[in-house]
Amino acid sequence: DAGVIQSPRHEVTEMGQEVTLRCKPISGHNSLFWYRQTMMRGLELLIYFNNNVPIDDSGMPEDRFSAKMPNASFSTLKIQPSEPRDSAVYFCASSLALMQPQHFGDGTRLSIL
Amino acid sequence: AQSVTQLGSHVSVSEGALVLLRCNYSSSVPPYLFWYVQYPNQGLQLLLKYTSAATLVKGINGFEAEFKKSETSFHLTKPSAHMSDAAEYFCAVSEGFGNEKLTFGTGTRLTIIP
Repeated sequence: DAGVIQSPRHEVTEMGQEVTLRCKPISGHNSLFWYRQTMMRGLELLIYFNNNVPIDDSGMPEDRFSAKMPNASFSTLKIQPSEPRDSAVYFCASSLALMQPQHFGDGTRLSIL
Repeated sequence: AQSVTQLGSHVSVSEGALVLLRCNYSSSVPPYLFWYVQYPNQGLQLLLKYTSAATLVKGINGFEAEFKKSETSFHLTKPSAHMSDAAEYFCAVSEGFGNEKLTFGTGTRLTIIP
C-alpha cells in the first residue's frame, strides 16, 4: 500500500519567494496533519484537518503560513513570503480515524537562503 | 495541557544489551500514549501505542512499553539491542476524547555500540 506521499523531498529557495509543499494522504484516511521539525524546537504540530476541514491551526506560526485541503486526497502548505527561519523539515501525516495512529510521510527538507 | 518529557537526549548501549528509553507524561485526562521511531531522512514510524487497554504494550521490532499511572511513565524497552535499532525515538501523548493532537517529546537518539 502506498504511504503518505510528500513533494518535493527537498526545496531550496531564496527568502521572499513563495513555497508550496504538497501532501497526498493514505487513501481512506480522514485526518491529515502538518508538522515542522527543527533542532531547536523539535516536532511541532502546525495544523490538522478532519474530513478536509481545518480543526486546529493554533500551531501555524504566523500569517505567512497557510494550509488547504481541497479534497480528501490532497493538501498543501504554503509559505509566502518565505524567511530563513522557516528552514526545517516539514512532515505530513494522516490517520484513519480519531485516535488511530498517524502515518508519516518522508518529509520535505526546506532551506530558505 | 498535556506534555511529555524524555529523559536523556542521547543513549548509548552495547549490541545485545538492554535498551531503556524513558518517557514521563502529564495529562489532565487518561492519556493515549505512543512511541515513534525515526530513521535518518525518513518520517516517523509507529512502534507501539497505549489506549487504556493492557498496561504492557508490545510493539514492532521487539520493543515494548509499560504504562504506569502512579509514576506517569511510559518507558520503552527492548531486551537485546540490535545495530538496526540505532535511530531517534519519540514519545507522544494525546488526551483522546476526540482530541487528535499529539504532543511529542524532544526525542532520544539511540546509538548501538558494536
